Amino acid sequence: GAGVSQSPSNKVTEKGKDVELRCDPISGHTALYWYRQSLGQGLEFLIYFQGNSAPDKSGLPSDRFSAERTGGSVSTLTIQRTQQEDSAVYLCASSPVAEVRGYTFGSGTRLTVV
Amino acid sequence: SQQGEEDPQALSIQEGENATMNCSYKTSINNLQWYRQNSGRGLVHLILIRSNEREKHSGRLRVTLDTSKKSSSLLITASRAADTASYFCATDKAGTALIFGKGTTLSVSS
Repeated sequence: GAGVSQSPSNKVTEKGKDVELRCDPISGHTALYWYRQSLGQGLEFLIYFQGNSAPDKSGLPSDRFSAERTGGSVSTLTIQRTQQEDSAVYLCASSPVAEVRGYTFGSGTRLTVV
Repeated sequence: SQQGEEDPQALSIQEGENATMNCSYKTSINNLQWYRQNSGRGLVHLILIRSNEREKHSGRLRVTLDTSKKSSSLLITASRAADTASYFCATDKAGTALIFGKGTTLSVSS
């Protein structure tokens, strides 16, 4: 696609439910990144993919968080048993290679856990 | 953990004035990038400066990098109301993802 697409754009879920966030990167971009941003804060790195493998998943806050990428394209971030502190904007970005390039970001998914 | 820290946290100026934002970081880097974010959503890449470069220009943007002081500055000249946004610096090391600072919120009034 022309840009990085994320869905849904907004998600309200009840505490304890599982959610899946989707990221569709720019076609041909081998590197894909997930970040989250709490209100008024900077970006917190979660995980990045090179192809289908995740060389760095050190930013995942707990074992309730997991992510996968299939076919070197679409990625899903899953949060199990959501908590109120998971409320944030989840941002996905992609780049042609995991090297010296600027990232292209999607518009994010705003997750609200009530 | 956050690698870059922007200063100031917030900046308010009038249209036509210049805006300067600073970024400090802690460890060695391959490159430093600046991004803009409108309305708390997706970030837009503005400019990238490599560790062996000292200054770079792009339109009304000027970025400097001082690796001895581990700092960078972003200058926006002749600011416009449309420049109102949050600005983030980001640094990387080989084989890792970008690490972003907390950002500077710029408000340009007409």
